[in-house]
Amino acid sequence: KNQVEQSPQSLIILEGKNCTLQCNYTVSPFSNLRWYKQDTGRGPVSLTIMTFSENTKSNGRYTATLDADTKQSSLHITASQLSDSASYICVVSLNSGGYQKVTFGTGTKLQVIP
Amino acid sequence: DTAVSQTPKYLVTQMGNDKSIKCEQNLGHDTMYWYKQDSKKFLKIMFSYNNKELIINETVPNRFSPKSPDKAHLNLHINSLELGDSAVYFCASSQYGSTEAFFGQGTRLTVV
Repeated sequence: KNQVEQSPQSLIILEGKNCTLQCNYTVSPFSNLRWYKQDTGRGPVSLTIMTFSENTKSNGRYTATLDADTKQSSLHITASQLSDSASYICVVSLNSGGYQKVTFGTGTKLQVIP
Repeated sequence: DTAVSQTPKYLVTQMGNDKSIKCEQNLGHDTMYWYKQDSKKFLKIMFSYNNKELIINETVPNRFSPKSPDKAHLNLHINSLELGDSAVYFCASSQYGSTEAFFGQGTRLTVV
């Protein structure tokens, strides 16, 4: 069973609307959590990284939150644009034998329509 | 300038063939990876090399053999290709200790 679950699996929203993507994880001990954006036909690109002590972090119209107690993170996209159409992947890292072991989430496919 | 480049971008081959995918990074990173992304878009790590040495080897058939001639290159050779090997393979790199991986554009492998 994957230790990083994302919801919803897919989402369609109108351009200009906001949306929130969820990530629940059971990975332990937690090191950090990163959100990636993957455009169709491209490799993932990092959007934000959050450590244990951080609750929220913004990158333009993207805002990530983290609740380390409940092991949940969310990615909020404000005023969506057509270019936001992509898959969003939550990645949780833990320290394992001196190196960072990463676990990828199942991803949320977002489609923004005009 | 492409930071992490993979070749070829598309690869169509018959079952039983042997093929290679090449990867090069010019970011000066010391760690490189191979990931497999299946039809459900789930990314799973296959191998990780740090300074040309294997540090992660997930449960992957031994038909898959990575080779790192230097820390800027990590190639993936696949023997006796099977239908189930069809997927997109991503190469990535990072600096050891960092969790931010920089990905290539992927190689879409189709086995027929």
